[in-house]
Amino acid sequence: QTVVTQEPSLTVSPGGTVTLTCDSSTGAVTSGNYPYWLQQKPGQAPRTLIYDTNARHPWTPARFSGSLLGGKPALTLSGARPEDEADYYCLFTYDGARVFGGGTKLTVL
Amino acid sequence: EVHLLESGGGLVQPGGPLRLSCAASGLTLSNNGMSWVRQAPGKGLEWVSDIVGSGATYYADSVKGRFTISRDNSKNTLYLQMNSLRADDTAVYYCVGHGGSSTWGQGTLVTVSS
Repeated sequence: QTVVTQEPSLTVSPGGTVTLTCDSSTGAVTSGNYPYWLQQKPGQAPRTLIYDTNARHPWTPARFSGSLLGGKPALTLSGARPEDEADYYCLFTYDGARVFGGGTKLTVL
Repeated sequence: EVHLLESGGGLVQPGGPLRLSCAASGLTLSNNGMSWVRQAPGKGLEWVSDIVGSGATYYADSVKGRFTISRDNSKNTLYLQMNSLRADDTAVYYCVGHGGSSTWGQGTLVTVSS
């Protein structure tokens, strides 16, 4: 069973930059695993920020970007704003199944 | 604009069945992969099941043999038939599209309890 590990919590200053990563127990993740990044605020449904490694939706602020860093999906937030405080989940496909990371609680402070 | 609306949640006794629906607008289910994802109270997200454009289906080990994903192309609606429900199936269930159609519904709460 694939286990996906994310940083449990991170703090970023307003205007600062932070990178969230997603580590898979199966080894390196590639674009062929179609990584996603989701944002969820308290009491709300999740929303997809990034899909297929680095593709943005129309509603995704330009300050969010997706990439692969050393075989790990990464989400970089450049110019953090208070409204970016939320839980962030990575998701990718592996061997016909989809796997979520445990989530990162991002604090903007 | 893609819009997904889940329904069918509620309180069900352990061992009982329940069918969830996800009505889609703004995308054609027969051309798009779709997922069911759940979130237990206070917990993270858990993938439940996929159906892809070809109709092939995939399931998490935790629901395999108990849940069935399907779609009605004429109604553009996705379903999740859940049988032999257990207390640990209690969660908000979301439907979500794949890739560029990865919009999420608002979810429907399923509570399994006697």
